[in-house]
Amino acid sequence: QQPVQSPQAVILREGEDAVINCSSSKALYSVHWYRQKHGEAPVFLMILLKGGEQKGHDKISASFNEKKQQSSLYLTASQLSYSGTYFCGTYQGKGAGGTSYGKLTFGQGTILTVHP
Amino acid sequence: EAGVVQSPRYKIIEKKQPVAFWCNPISGHNTLYWYLQNLGQGPELLIRYENEEAVDDSQLPKDRFSAERLKGVDSTLKIQPAELGDSAVYLCASSLVRYNEQFFGPGTRLTVL
Repeated sequence: QQPVQSPQAVILREGEDAVINCSSSKALYSVHWYRQKHGEAPVFLMILLKGGEQKGHDKISASFNEKKQQSSLYLTASQLSYSGTYFCGTYQGKGAGGTSYGKLTFGQGTILTVHP
Repeated sequence: EAGVVQSPRYKIIEKKQPVAFWCNPISGHNTLYWYLQNLGQGPELLIRYENEEAVDDSQLPKDRFSAERLKGVDSTLKIQPAELGDSAVYLCASSLVRYNEQFFGPGTRLTVL
């Protein structure tokens, strides 16, 4: 089942912050985040593998709330280069040993536009 | 390290014609994926290969779509015959193992007239 992302679009000025949410009606076992610029391939940002995990690099970070079945991506002090469409992808299965199974299902995307 | 290579980048055909897309994954990546991406949507999995074996093709319309991954490296996705609704971007991705990050190719933009 496709995860739901919110908001669908957000417009920022350079230096402003944004939060993108990804939620599912089914239990999530891992969440991937990707960014895709217009006409280009999606680029991997990070994976969160277990509830409570938080990750980040540079000024982009993410959290994974297993109980709420959602993940959030945080963009701090946005830069022009952050513009693009952000997708979360979720694995909704659980195999032996607690690993994810099934297929990676992507949300519909959140369009982020950063203006000077 | 070279990324995922796809060709052609663009293809325009008339309906009912056949079309094929080629993908060369990152060297050493055992898992290969073909996705379809419609405008304004996220990628949707068509088929996943583990080495040369197609292990998840439940979303592949088998009446017109086919895929192969010879020797567990390059892969080809074919549509025959193409329909107007097949117009989309076809993305190939690879990962070292199944649940790791996926590296996407630039995609093939297909337009069916």
